[in-house]
Amino acid sequence: NAGVMQNPRHLVRRRGQEARLRCSPVKGHSHVYWYRQLPEEGLKFMVYLQKENIIDESGMPKERFSAEFPKEGPSILRIQQVVRGDSAAYFCASSSVLADTQYFGPGTRLTVL
Amino acid sequence: AQRVTQPEKLLSVFKGAPVELKCNYSYSGSPELFWYVQYSRQRLQLLLRHISRESIKGFTADLNKGETSFHLKKPFAQEEDSAMYYCALSGNFGNEKLTFGTGTRLTIIP
Repeated sequence: NAGVMQNPRHLVRRRGQEARLRCSPVKGHSHVYWYRQLPEEGLKFMVYLQKENIIDESGMPKERFSAEFPKEGPSILRIQQVVRGDSAAYFCASSSVLADTQYFGPGTRLTVL
Repeated sequence: AQRVTQPEKLLSVFKGAPVELKCNYSYSGSPELFWYVQYSRQRLQLLLRHISRESIKGFTADLNKGETSFHLKKPFAQEEDSAMYYCALSGNFGNEKLTFGTGTRLTIIP
């Protein structure tokens, strides 16, 4: 069991570019969560998805951010026109059923120059 | 609004001494409480959750609803306990997102 995989592990973008972060959940898990950790802060919830559905996006910024979890393939967190304030560690977690333990990936560290 | 507070950013304890990492929460309802740990160069992993009432690696945590606390305790610290510890809560069934505290970095002094 390889656990939750995230790639890339490190991503550098210039202001105005797009960032795409990928998350492959534990095999058989159908629930995916994205969290963001700004420097010196705890992880903050962004979005919760099940296959092909966004269940809770209450933590997502209203503009530039989007997420998907297609029927096939990894979950994608997409940030358009990145700004310096988007620099953070982005973590993905997955669980098998509702309210089950969330297993975390190693995170993607995004740096915006 | 739900909130988790970990008042100590850093905590140093001598090997063999008792450890207590503090966690207080704010939630209207009956939350589920967790402790997650991140060892150096490893991913975040679940240490324990209050509903399972388990003791993992010698750590225990009791949910005190009156004081809205979920402090993590271990009677005798070991060097391998050095890590970053996060307290987290989730809401009632159907609200699965985790709300994290800012974390406490525990260092065990040999």
